[in-house]
Amino acid sequence: SYVLTQPPSVSVAPGQTARITCGGNNIGSESVHWNQHKPGQAPVLVIYYDRDRPSGIPERFSGSNSGNTATLTISRVEAGDEADYYCQVWDSTRDRVVFGGGTKLSVL
Amino acid sequence: EVQLVESGGGLVQPGGSLRLSCAASGFSFSSYWMHWVRQAPGKGLVWVSRINSDGSTTNYADSVKGRFTISRDNAKDTLYLQMSSLRAEDTAVYYCARDGAIQPRGVSWFAPWGQGTLVTVSS
Repeated sequence: SYVLTQPPSVSVAPGQTARITCGGNNIGSESVHWNQHKPGQAPVLVIYYDRDRPSGIPERFSGSNSGNTATLTISRVEAGDEADYYCQVWDSTRDRVVFGGGTKLSVL
Repeated sequence: EVQLVESGGGLVQPGGSLRLSCAASGFSFSSYWMHWVRQAPGKGLVWVSRINSDGSTTNYADSVKGRFTISRDNAKDTLYLQMSSLRAEDTAVYYCARDGAIQPRGVSWFAPWGQGTLVTVSS
């Protein structure tokens, strides 16, 4: 089965750049999507198809995907960006969605 | 406004059954694949199931296959998840989510998500 590996936590100071990785076997050949989830709220899509931003998501959010690692980059981090972030892909061999374990972004 | 509102969660005994509902509004419900995703306390998001626009195709996670049934009523703009033979490990917040775009085979990225409904399986 396809496994996505994320670091449990990432910490960054306000105004700095946060990079959250999502590792998977040849993930560069897959389409990766990223969701932001704050406690008590509905998850929100922040990046789809590796690098596309939904309307309403700030340009500070960007994505890349190559080789065995996809990356969500958040520039000029703000306190309001503190949340759990999940990568996801479609596993076509088993007709199922796979989520990474999630990364807790802390803004120092 | 595109909106998804889940309901039907609650406390149920092990081995029991529960039906979750997800009321959709603000978009053409009958055109989209729909999904259920859950999050156990202190854990990450886990995909549960999906259903295509007319209800003829469904997929399930291995952990719920044979116990859960996803369905939809396009006349009522409502998605369902019938859960049976419930176990303690099914305790979670259950979210419904819409496919992000209209595609015959689905796109399986989600926008929007609902706020979730809590299911607790305990004696």
